[in-house]
Amino acid sequence: DAGVTQSPTHLIKTRGQQVTLRCSPKSGHDTVSWYQQALGQGPQFIFQYYEEEERQRGNFPDRFSGHQFPNYSSELNVNALLLGDSALYLCASSTRGSGATDTQYFGPGTRLTVL
Amino acid sequence: AQTVTQSQPEMSVQEAETVTLSCTYDTSESDYYLFWYKQPPSRQMILVIRQEAYKQQNATENRFSVNFQKAAKSFSLKISDSQLGDAAMYFCAYRSDSNTGNQFYFGTGTSLTVIP
Repeated sequence: DAGVTQSPTHLIKTRGQQVTLRCSPKSGHDTVSWYQQALGQGPQFIFQYYEEEERQRGNFPDRFSGHQFPNYSSELNVNALLLGDSALYLCASSTRGSGATDTQYFGPGTRLTVL
Repeated sequence: AQTVTQSQPEMSVQEAETVTLSCTYDTSESDYYLFWYKQPPSRQMILVIRQEAYKQQNATENRFSVNFQKAAKSFSLKISDSQLGDAAMYFCAYRSDSNTGNQFYFGTGTSLTVIP
């Protein structure tokens, strides 16, 4: 049973560029949440996708956007990168529909460095 | 918004001994879930234990147990018979039981060192 997978593992970008991160949820899960974890901090909620729509959003600017595909996988896009966007980006999956789960399962994360 | 506080940035424990990590939270809700996650250097967040707020009985998972004090809004994690593999960052997390929101709120973490 495959767990949550994320790609790429590491990414280096320069200020002003755009980046796309990818996530495949755990088998049987239909909901994907994205978190930003700055160094030495706990994860901060960015947004959550369910049924291909953004259902909840944390306190992040519109430069952060996402998408969910029919197979439940998801992308996180960040435009106009700032130095402060350097962080570990975590994807978490859960089930919101039938058989909803209260627990989120996390992927290994993508380490984004903005120079 | 709910807040989660972990007041111990670092803790250490001798191998085979017991350690307790503290967590407090602030909420006006009556139904919610609490979690402890472990994040080793590999970065993967691993679920350690979960607790439903409506349950008075403290959750237990092998060597891991919690002390859930709802009135005090406290949720501490006890690790018994500590092992070298327990060394990691530990995060306390809160999740609402609301249908409109199930995002997790995390504390800032406690770094646990296990001394051989």
